[in-house]
Amino acid sequence: EVQLMESGGGLIKPGGSLRLSCTTSGFSFSNYEYNWVRQAPGKGLEWISYISGRGSYMFYADSVQGRFTISRDHANGIIYLQMNSLRVEDTALYYCARGYVEAGATLLDVWGKGTTVTVAS
Amino acid sequence: AIQMAQSPSSLSASVGDRVTITCRASQGIRNELAWYQQMPGKAPKLLIYGASSLQTGVPSRFSGAGSGTDFTLTITSLQPEDFATYYCLHDYNFPWTFGQGTTVAIK
Repeated sequence: EVQLMESGGGLIKPGGSLRLSCTTSGFSFSNYEYNWVRQAPGKGLEWISYISGRGSYMFYADSVQGRFTISRDHANGIIYLQMNSLRVEDTALYYCARGYVEAGATLLDVWGKGTTVTVAS
Repeated sequence: AIQMAQSPSSLSASVGDRVTITCRASQGIRNELAWYQQMPGKAPKLLIYGASSLQTGVPSRFSGAGSGTDFTLTITSLQPEDFATYYCLHDYNFPWTFGQGTTVAIK
């Protein structure tokens, strides 16, 4: 079964760091791109980061640029999101989403269930 | 960054109704737009990509249209399982941005 499973969320104080993991299974990890999308409580979706198939390109939303780093472990099929200098406004449910390009369009076709990050003192 | 203005933010409709949701981009994005459905407490689900291509397994009552700056998602004959929140997402360039979402509720 094709699956993504996020982990690593928790309660952290402002200014702290956390690393989220997205463990993949059931498909060829290297053939896809990956994204992190978050959703603050009661709010809409916010795209926050992308990593290309070979990990050569990474992009970020302005809201996390310089604080978050996306990476991929090809050997183990895991995507990471290192989050530093966390702020109260980073509190959200964080989703990992698999992506690929078809006919010039990007499809985020498989999503995990998410992991919750709470930033509070 | 390109902004996506989605409207309405919510609507009430009955089973069998035709529903249209709109997204307007702050600049032209060709056809590089997707639509996602999110049920309460669940992860988003891809419905439409490339503005008008139906994702495999998605019912044909969902359709997307548009190019440039103006896009629509139409649900013909709304079904009980369609009551959810819908989001557009542009993937024209980075950073990608979602619309604010449209919640479709039962009238």
